[in-house]
Amino acid sequence: KNEVEQSPQNLTAQEGEFITINCSYSVGISALHWLQQHPGGGIVSLFMLSSGKKKHGRLIATINIQEKHSSLHITASHPRDSAVYICAVRIGGSGSRLTFGEGTQLTVNP
Amino acid sequence: DTAVSQTPKYLVTQMGNDKSIKCEQNLGHDTMYWYKQDSKKFLKIMFSYNNKELIINETVPNRFSPKSPDKAHLNLHINSLELGDSAVYFCASSSSGRDTYNEQFFGPGTRLTVL
Repeated sequence: KNEVEQSPQNLTAQEGEFITINCSYSVGISALHWLQQHPGGGIVSLFMLSSGKKKHGRLIATINIQEKHSSLHITASHPRDSAVYICAVRIGGSGSRLTFGEGTQLTVNP
Repeated sequence: DTAVSQTPKYLVTQMGNDKSIKCEQNLGHDTMYWYKQDSKKFLKIMFSYNNKELIINETVPNRFSPKSPDKAHLNLHINSLELGDSAVYFCASSSSGRDTYNEQFFGPGTRLTVL
């Protein structure tokens, strides 16, 4: 069983919908990352969290350390949000490896 | 101004060949990583270097040898390429400083195809 589980694996939404992607992990972590991978293949870091909540534009990320759970929300979704969203956790101190979830393929239809 | 760059972007080669992928970062980071993304899009750590020293070496065949000539570069050399080595390889970098967020920045990836 993977240390990082994401749900759903695939998500199709209509433009404008509110989207939630979930991430659960089974180990103690020092930080959690949300990454975005576009069809072209490049990976972009969206958020890095160790507690609470962060917001950037239409994206919101939350983390509950006690429950070992994080969510990524997208408000007013747009077709350009279509991508794979990957949750990754850092186990150990700074400079440590990331352990990745399997990703959520999001498709937003116009 | 590319933060983390990799060359080449695409690499097609025959089984048994030896090839290298280069990575450079201009962010002043002291830690660099190699990740492998398989056909199912699952990312896994291969190696990590901090200040030119190997700190993470996952269960990777010893045909893979990373080399870090300085803090800004981490190259990956692969000997005797096999079909199963076909994947996308991502380089990344971060800072290990205590007061930084230690966010990782990824290169564009190198798609390796072994025929």
